[in-house]
Amino acid sequence: NAGVTQTPKFQVLKTGQSMTLQCAQDMNHEYMSWYRQDPGMGLRLIHYSVGAGITDQGEVPNGYNVSRSTTEDFPLRLLSAAPSQTSVYFCASSYSQRNTEAFFGQGTRLTVV
Amino acid sequence: KNEVEQSPQNLTAQEGEFITINCSYSVGISALHWLQQHPGGGIVSLFMLSSGKKKHGRLIATINIQEKHSSLHITASHPRDSAVYICAVSGNQFYFGTGTSLTVIP
Repeated sequence: NAGVTQTPKFQVLKTGQSMTLQCAQDMNHEYMSWYRQDPGMGLRLIHYSVGAGITDQGEVPNGYNVSRSTTEDFPLRLLSAAPSQTSVYFCASSYSQRNTEAFFGQGTRLTVV
Repeated sequence: KNEVEQSPQNLTAQEGEFITINCSYSVGISALHWLQQHPGGGIVSLFMLSSGKKKHGRLIATINIQEKHSSLHITASHPRDSAVYICAVSGNQFYFGTGTSLTVIP
């Protein structure tokens, strides 16, 4: 099993550009989520999904879109990058939101200039 | 609002010392998680617990549900334990602490 595969590991964008962060898991997990990690703050939830075709907003959804067409994949799209989106992004998956171990991707360090 | 509070924020220890990291939470939970993040690296789950105590090698995690408090202990610390340790709780969603940065000096 590969676990959670997240790409790319590093990315530099210019303000206004768009991009997609990829996340795939091979554990048949229903729950997938995207977080951003900023200095001095805990991981903050951007969007999450409880299954294919179902997504919802988290704490900081503005400027991001997600879709879940399959159980395995949960891409995060930045529509028009802004310097405030400079952060480290993590994708995570688990069997459910409750009482199950979470598995994290390796992270994407994104810089918007 | 901080649903999960960790202490200390930073910790420096000599190799071999016994280390304790504390976590308090204010929301109802189904489980508490301890995670480890090495510099520039991904996040790895160390423990998930909903009661009592768990032990993996030199790491021990305890939780007191009534007091809404958990501790992560590292016995005989080693430089390779240097990392950020993150406490998280899961209920309707995951809430994360800001992490404890541990440096173990040889």
